[in-house]
Amino acid sequence: TQLLEQSPQFLSIQEGENLTVYCNSSSVFSSLQWYRQEPGEGPVLLVTVVTGGEVKKLKRLTFQFGDARKDSSLHITAAQPGDTGLYLCAVGGGKLIFGQGTELSVKP
Amino acid sequence: KAGVTQTPRYLIKTRGQQVTLSCSPISGHRSVSWYQQTPGQGLQFLFEYFSETQRNKGNFPGRFSGRQFSNSRSEMNVSTLELGDSALYLCASSLFSRGMDTEAFFGQGTRLTVV
Repeated sequence: TQLLEQSPQFLSIQEGENLTVYCNSSSVFSSLQWYRQEPGEGPVLLVTVVTGGEVKKLKRLTFQFGDARKDSSLHITAAQPGDTGLYLCAVGGGKLIFGQGTELSVKP
Repeated sequence: KAGVTQTPRYLIKTRGQQVTLSCSPISGHRSVSWYQQTPGQGLQFLFEYFSETQRNKGNFPGRFSGRQFSNSRSEMNVSTLELGDSALYLCASSLFSRGMDTEAFFGQGTRLTVV
């Protein structure tokens, strides 16, 4: 059983569409991180959410941490081809536990 | 400042051989962690080193080992390679392993293919 369940696993959309990726768990976390990984590269940290109910925005990306700190979501508005990549949620510090990831493809 | 450097980028080995991968963390970072990434299992934690001491270990067989040197550079070794060890091996460095300054910076990885 995965500690972090991400959904959907795959997402293929047209440029301009909106999408939401979910990261769920039955455990409570002190913080949660979102990474994006492009082919041939290592994951890059997008954001860390710490407080229950917290909402953070990074340009067209909106991250939310659940009130109970058990789940999180990533919403992308008006997706662009440059958003294509593998999106990963993770918890932990030096020992990171990752979700399975959401592979996003945005077609022009 | 320079990022995390992993060498080599690509490696092809034969079953039964052993391999050593290298990771140079960002200057000043003392925590180095290793991960294995495969299409089926995703990103899985291998081990973490902090100030030359192994702090955490993932659920991998003893064929996987690592070490960290006094300059924080780290190596991981896989002995008696199996086909299933084919994966992208990623190294991440951070200032600390606990507390607030644990943002992990990843290298580009070493793509290991076992034939």
